[in-house]
This record gives sequence, structure tokens and C-alpha cells, in this order.
Amino acid sequence: DTEVTQTPKHLVMGMTNKKSLKCEQHMGHRAMYWYKQKAKKPPELMFVYSYEKLSINESVPSRFSPECPNSSLLNLHLHALQPEDSALYLCASSHPPRETQHFGDGTRLSIL
Amino acid sequence: GENVEQHPSTLSVQEGDSAVIKCTYSDSASNYFPWYKQELGKRPQLIIDIRSNVGEKKDQRIAVTLNKTAKHFSLHITETQPEDSAVYFCAGGDFGNEKLTFGTGTRLTIIP
Repeated sequence: DTEVTQTPKHLVMGMTNKKSLKCEQHMGHRAMYWYKQKAKKPPELMFVYSYEKLSINESVPSRFSPECPNSSLLNLHLHALQPEDSALYLCASSHPPRETQHFGDGTRLSIL
Repeated sequence: GENVEQHPSTLSVQEGDSAVIKCTYSDSASNYFPWYKQELGKRPQLIIDIRSNVGEKKDQRIAVTLNKTAKHFSLHITETQPEDSAVYFCAGGDFGNEKLTFGTGTRLTIIP
């Protein structure tokens, strides 16, 4: 069973839409991550939250906005995305922040 | 920042034979090296990791070796089985920050 749960599994949206991706973990992990993965490429780090504070932003465009409401939840708010943003978005968590990262199944995002 | 190179990009192995995937890293501060297996359409799953205070780690048919002086580490899979077919990613990081840098991946195909 996947210990990191992501919803939705698939998302199709237009370039003018606003949507959110959600990630939840109940392992007591205190670090959570968003990655973007294009086909046949490795995961590419976008954001890291450590103890609910944003600790790393890998120069991600502002049309992606992360939020960490509490230690178990991580959201990624999407607005005015471009077709090149179509990808698999993976959430991961770890405890403590520098230990093994556990990935969710991802949200496959398609921008029309 | 860290740069991780991975070779080969594709590898075909007869069932029952061994497979070896190699990675090199650039940052001597890196001290944590996980390996992830990703099947088509699935999440990356940790299969083994090694820290810089050990030179080798084994878990059943899977082993990882680390040469800190040469800055390279390798994944060894023995007695390969069809279910070993997947994309394998190496990664490197250090306990000073939460960032993992992934290699470019190796597509391993086990030929029955």
C-alpha cells in the first residue's frame, strides 16, 4: 500500500483554469516534497517543506504555488499553466528531513 | 551543486544473469545515495540506499557499493527476474540539506 496518498490521480485542465493537487501522509514525517517528472526523465525537485516551512524553491514559476496547511498535508495550487507543464507530479515525504524519501503514486497532469 | 551521472541508459540482461548500473557524483559533501526503481506508470520505490560511512550494503539479490575516493557508486542485481524490468534511478544528497539529485535513469530489460 502507498503510504503517501495523492489526489487526483489524473487531471486535465485548460490554461485558464485554477486547480489544486493534494498530498497526504500519516507517517509522522516532517518534510514533504513536490517533484515534476516528464516522460523518460528523472524526478525534478520543485519545492521542499520542512516542519511546515518552505525550505527550498527550485526557481519554480509563480503559476505553481505550494501550501503546507499542517505536517500531514501538502497542496500544489495551479493557475494559468502552460502545455509544457504537462507531466507527472510526485509528492514525497521523509523523516527526519534528510532521511529516505517515500513517494506517492503521483498526479498525471495534462494541460490543454 | 551536485551532479549525478548514470550509465548505461539502457541495459538488457538475460534472465538469471547479473545487472550492474553505475553512477558518479561530483559533490564530495554528498553522503547519502539511494536507488529507486520505477515501473511504467508507477511511483519511484526505494530499493536500497547507502551512506558514506559504509562501502557496501546488501539486501537479498540487490547490493550497492560506494567508492568515496572515486566518487562513484553502483547497483548490482544478481539472478535477475522478469519483474526486475523497470527504470532505475540513482540519487545523491547530503544531510546538510533536503535536496536529492537524481541520475538520468537506466531502463533495465530482463529477457526471459
